[in-house]
Amino acid sequence: DTGVSQDPRHKITKRGQNVTFRCDPISEHNRLYWYRQTLGQGPEFLTYFQNEAQLEKSRLLSDRFSAERPKGSFSTLEIQRTEQGDSAMYLCASSLDQGTGYFGPGTRLTVT
Amino acid sequence: AQKITQTQPGMFVQEKEAVTLDCTYDTSDQSYGLFWYKQPSSGEMIFLIYQGSYDEQNATEGRYSLNFQKARKSANLVISASQLGDSAMYFCAMREAMDSNYQLIWGAGTKLIIKP
Repeated sequence: DTGVSQDPRHKITKRGQNVTFRCDPISEHNRLYWYRQTLGQGPEFLTYFQNEAQLEKSRLLSDRFSAERPKGSFSTLEIQRTEQGDSAMYLCASSLDQGTGYFGPGTRLTVT
Repeated sequence: AQKITQTQPGMFVQEKEAVTLDCTYDTSDQSYGLFWYKQPSSGEMIFLIYQGSYDEQNATEGRYSLNFQKARKSANLVISASQLGDSAMYFCAMREAMDSNYQLIWGAGTKLIIKP
C-alpha cells in the first residue's frame, strides 16, 4: 500500500498527558499537512511542511502543539498536557508540490 | 463570511438515482481550485474530483462530475447512478491562489445516505 498512513488510528488519553501521532506520507510527496477535524465540521488546517521545513502554522496550533518532519519523510505531531478540547480527528495529507492532497485514515484522539 | 457554503446538512437518496450536492464559494482570487472529498464513517478523507478556475470543461471522474458555474460561484458535485457505498460525508473545499500552499478552506459537509 503506497497511500498515506497514520499511527495510531485511535488514542484514548487522560487529561494532562502527552500524546504523539505519526504520519507517513506517500513516498515521493514533498509536502505534508496536518489538519484537525471535530465532529460535524470540516477539517481545520494546523500546519504544513515542505520537505523538512515547517512553513506555516495556524493560530490554532497553541504552544502545547509541536510538529516535526526531521528528514523530510514522516512527520510527528505532539500534544502536551492534553485538554478535553483536544479531542478530535487528526488528519495528515501529503502532496507533490501544489498537486492534489491525499489524506491518511486519521488518528482519533479522545481525552478523558 | 463563509468562504465555502454547503447548504444541505443531510440528504436521503434512493439507490440508482442521481445526486447533486451543492457548493458555493466566495473568493476574490482569479486563480483558485475546487475540490470534493468523500469521508466515510471510517474517517479517511478520499479525494474525488478537482476543478481549476481556468478549466473550461467541467471535470469528470467516473460517476462523479462537477457542475462548475463560475459566474454564480458554484461547484456542485453530481453523482450518477448512486450506490449504497456512496453513503458518506461529502466536503467541498477551495484552494485560493494557485501558487500558495495546500491550505484548503472547507465547507461544513453534506451527509449523504443512499437508501436501498
